[in-house]
Amino acid sequence: KNEVEQSPQNLTAQEGEFITINCSYSVGISALHWLQQHPGGGIVSLFMLSSGKKKHGRLIATINIQEKHSSLHITASHPRDSAVYICAAGRPAGSNYKLTFGKGTLLTVNP
Amino acid sequence: DGGITQSPKYLFRKEGQNVTLSCEQNLNHDAMYWYRQDPGQGLRLIYYSQIVNDFQKGDIAEGYSVSREKKESFPLTVTSAQKNPTAFYLCASSRDRGAAFFGQGTRLTVV
Repeated sequence: KNEVEQSPQNLTAQEGEFITINCSYSVGISALHWLQQHPGGGIVSLFMLSSGKKKHGRLIATINIQEKHSSLHITASHPRDSAVYICAAGRPAGSNYKLTFGKGTLLTVNP
Repeated sequence: DGGITQSPKYLFRKEGQNVTLSCEQNLNHDAMYWYRQDPGQGLRLIYYSQIVNDFQKGDIAEGYSVSREKKESFPLTVTSAQKNPTAFYLCASSRDRGAAFFGQGTRLTVV
């Protein structure tokens, strides 16, 4: 079993829909990261959170430490939101800070 | 603007040849990382460096080598010993245990 599991693997939505992507992890973490990867490959860091909830524009990330679960929500989705969304569990590993990545969720938002 | 620059974006290599991927950052970050991404898999850590002239193996270091002679630069060499080098390679940097910044990636194809 992977240490970080995302669901769903693929998600297709119509423009305007509310989107939820889930991430479960089995390791102790100091922070949970949400990343966005556009076609072409570059990755952008969206959120880093260790408790509660963060909001940036139409994106909301929540985390439940006890349940080892995080969700990424997109309100009023738009075709430009189409991308791969990746969650990563971050924890200290010796002198390093180790990120363990999920396999990603491919989101397609149709107009 | 600060950021991470990876070059080239696409790279073709003949089997048996070594090839070096470039990663430069002007964010003044101490830590730099190289990840490999394969279809259907999460990002996997190849090498990381916490400080100039020091680097550590990640989870899949075999067949790769790195150097860290300058804070800004962390080149990755894919050697002929790497059995399956065709992949997407991402470089990242971070100041400490905070959010990581990623480059645009290099897609390496062995022909």
